[in-house]
Amino acid sequence: DTAVSQTPKYLVTQMGNDKSIKCEQNLGHDTMYWYKQDSKKFLKIMFSYNNKELIINETVPNRFSPKSPDKAHLNLHINSLELGDSAVYFCASSPITGATNEKLFFGSGTQLSVL
Amino acid sequence: EDQVTQSPEALRLQEGESSSLNCSYTVSGLRGLFWYRQDPGKGPEFLFTLYSAGEEKEKERLKATLTKKESFLHITAPKPEDSATYLCAVHLGGSQGNLIFGKGTKLSVKP
Repeated sequence: DTAVSQTPKYLVTQMGNDKSIKCEQNLGHDTMYWYKQDSKKFLKIMFSYNNKELIINETVPNRFSPKSPDKAHLNLHINSLELGDSAVYFCASSPITGATNEKLFFGSGTQLSVL
Repeated sequence: EDQVTQSPEALRLQEGESSSLNCSYTVSGLRGLFWYRQDPGKGPEFLFTLYSAGEEKEKERLKATLTKKESFLHITAPKPEDSATYLCAVHLGGSQGNLIFGKGTKLSVKP
């Protein structure tokens, strides 16, 4: 069973469109994240979220919004897509055990191409 | 500015040829250093966490070490299946996912 799964694997769309990426984890973790891996291969955190708190990286445009219907799901909505949004987006999760350095479990990524 | 730099960007080894990957960091208040492995088309997979200078961790052919300014990932007698991109990340505290990643070292091991 896949621990963190995200769909779709590939997403090709036109500028200006609105799209969503779905993420589900079956690990029972309390915290989920969205990371962006750009063309230079740097992974950067966009959001971290549990059922109590949403933490947003201040560099993320407000066109991006996470939506969590329940603890096991964290979807990413993107409005008015721009060329610069093209990247690979990774969902991840981690448990909360009181430690600040829990390892992350990543999904396999969604490659978004904006034309 | 907090920064993580990995070197080399790419490394080609023959099977059995041992080597090391470097991760240097300039951060204030390191709360942990992580190594991840990333295969093409996949998400990063956790390898190690190091918390303090002098700490070492091993897993199969991999050994990670940490000093106050850098970490090394030593690969002993690598096999072709060790080919992947190895990512280093540092935790800055606060949110658990608040990691700064390096660009990675792409390792290729030829039989």
